[in-house]
Amino acid sequence: QSVLTQPPSASGTPGQRVTISCSGSSSNIGSNTVNWYQQLPGTAPKLLIYNNNQRPSGIPDRFSGSKSGTSASLAISGLQSEDEADYYCAAWDDSLTGWVFGGGTKLTVL
Amino acid sequence: QVQLVQSGGGVVQPGGSLRLSCSASGFTLSNFGMHWVRQAPGKGLEWVAITWSDGSNKYYADSVKGRFTISRDNSKNTLYLQMNSLRAEDTAVYYCAREIGGLQVSRNWFDPWGQGTLVTVSS
Repeated sequence: QSVLTQPPSASGTPGQRVTISCSGSSSNIGSNTVNWYQQLPGTAPKLLIYNNNQRPSGIPDRFSGSKSGTSASLAISGLQSEDEADYYCAAWDDSLTGWVFGGGTKLTVL
Repeated sequence: QVQLVQSGGGVVQPGGSLRLSCSASGFTLSNFGMHWVRQAPGKGLEWVAITWSDGSNKYYADSVKGRFTISRDNSKNTLYLQMNSLRAEDTAVYYCAREIGGLQVSRNWFDPWGQGTLVTVSS
């Protein structure tokens, strides 16, 4: 049982916009920033979004993040086949004194 | 090029020990907090441990507290994870990751990640 809650799966067709939610509590998302990681099949996770809505260099602007209260979301517009991957949200938890992750969302491009 | 290259891992019997290494290149390890994160087969990511840049503070997930020790040798630009009293549920791919951002841990993020190394605990 992950501290942060994500839907286990999401899907969309090429060109569509999909969103992935991440729900937490006041001790993690409610008081700290949220990061998102993309994990392509068989590879290590890669930073996708940091500080709620910032994109690292090289990440297309099709990817965007937002946060409100104790929830965050990742949006992917103009869906492409190469976006098929697992997506994880993460935040520092003040009560646990450690990082917590969502259970991951497997994105399928139909 | 900023890179983390991991070594160690393998098959170990329950109750056994193993040490993982994570060698940094392209940056000075002593300037950054470092983490270990693991992923059990077919499961999600689980944070394991953090060591601050100077090694002064270390925190662990409850699942490994008292059994795992994170350490660093800044002179060798290398991070370690000593795993003792291993259990079947410790079977996972272990990743090291660099923490970047600022002085406030709660506002930082992980980048890059190592390639991962598989630890299998089985008799």
